[in-house]
Amino acid sequence: GNSVTQMEGPVTLSEEAFLTINCTYTATGYPSLFWYVQYPGEGLQLLLKATKADDKGSNKGFEATYRKETTSFHLEKGSVQVSDSAVYFCALRGTGANNLFFGTGTRLTVIP
Amino acid sequence: EAGVAQSPRYKIIEKRQSVAFWCNPISGHATLYWYQQILGQGPKLLIQFQNNGVVDDSQLPKDRFSAERLKGVDSTLKIQPAKLEDSAVYLCASSLRQGLSGANVLTFGAGSRLTVL
Repeated sequence: GNSVTQMEGPVTLSEEAFLTINCTYTATGYPSLFWYVQYPGEGLQLLLKATKADDKGSNKGFEATYRKETTSFHLEKGSVQVSDSAVYFCALRGTGANNLFFGTGTRLTVIP
Repeated sequence: EAGVAQSPRYKIIEKRQSVAFWCNPISGHATLYWYQQILGQGPKLLIQFQNNGVVDDSQLPKDRFSAERLKGVDSTLKIQPAKLEDSAVYLCASSLRQGLSGANVLTFGAGSRLTVL
């Protein structure tokens, strides 16, 4: 079946630090992979996505590369800001499906 | 474009009472989803509609949860009777259509937070 394993948090970083949040997945076929972000008091927002192996999704300085050989989709950002403080969810959608399977989320706090 | 609208944002009830949540998806989005997000966990799909038909309700606790999308636009999720473990945020999402495209993105509403005492 489909599942997502996400790095446990919380993660606390200083401003301008490098961020990595690990995500690995289990799926049959060729899933699409997503990172969603949830800012305090707001709904889930799509951050980036990748629909096939070796694709790199990027947005707002965040990047993630779809690695089929390691079944991973790690989220990275070179220099985090206080405004990046949020909960980040890795998710996958299986082949031919619309439903998303989510990881448990990683809370990031960036301190000035 | 307007986003996915949900109401109420917050609801507190006692166990065994009933509650209803409403969702209005983005205009033109044929597919609508209800997710349950328990504190500290990722969202879990409860039910998926395509227009006014149910596509997947395999994870919906049908003894107490029900949902409808009668005219293929807005939707209502009901819980009756509520249990303590139903305390969660109920998220509504919509997407353009069901299909094979990986680019078919879900857009989420802000959610309805339910507390069952």
